[in-house]
Amino acid sequence: EVQLLESGGGLVQPGGSLRLSCAASGFNFHNYAMNWVRQAPGKRLEWVSNIGNSGGPTFYADSVKGRFTITRDNVNNRLYLQMHSLRVEDTAIYYCAKDSRSIGGHDLDSWGQGTLVTVSS
Amino acid sequence: EIVMTQSPATLSVSPGERATLSCWASQSVDSDLGWYQQKPGQAPRLLIYGASTRATGIPARFSGSGSGTDFTLTINSLQPEDFGVYYCQQYEDWPLTFGGGTKVEIK
Repeated sequence: EVQLLESGGGLVQPGGSLRLSCAASGFNFHNYAMNWVRQAPGKRLEWVSNIGNSGGPTFYADSVKGRFTITRDNVNNRLYLQMHSLRVEDTAIYYCAKDSRSIGGHDLDSWGQGTLVTVSS
Repeated sequence: EIVMTQSPATLSVSPGERATLSCWASQSVDSDLGWYQQKPGQAPRLLIYGASTRATGIPARFSGSGSGTDFTLTINSLQPEDFGVYYCQQYEDWPLTFGGGTKVEIK
């Protein structure tokens, strides 16, 4: 059974940094691209970033480009999202989502339960 | 950016009836379209990919159709556990984008 478990969320002040982590199990992590998707309270899902199975290529939403960095550790089956210069509008539940293929963005066939990031002073 | 639009925003359906949800793309996405179900407090779950293929473990009462810019998700014989918000998502081009969702309420 595919399991994705996010961690690292919390309360941070505007301009601050946070690093999210996603522990993956139940599938061959190194064979699949991975994504971060977020959902602000009462809002639609918003795709944030994607990384290929071997660590590249990487893709970002314009809203986070230059501030967020996605990486992965295929030895320890972990996905990361380093977030800098956080803004109030980055407040959301952040989900780790498994892509159906190794490269590029496609349907997201498994999701974690999410971790809440709150940016507030 | 490809904009995804869903209609209606809310749908009230009695158990056993059919629910029909619509999704439009601002430009063609071929069949690169997925449907997701999200229940309160839960993560989304993939229902349909490739516009019409059911994901693993999804009951046959869920079906998807369409290509290009117009898509439909049909839930036949709605069950009480089918309440929730349904989102469409295109993966034809970056950025991946989602529709605003259709909330299905059990009447």
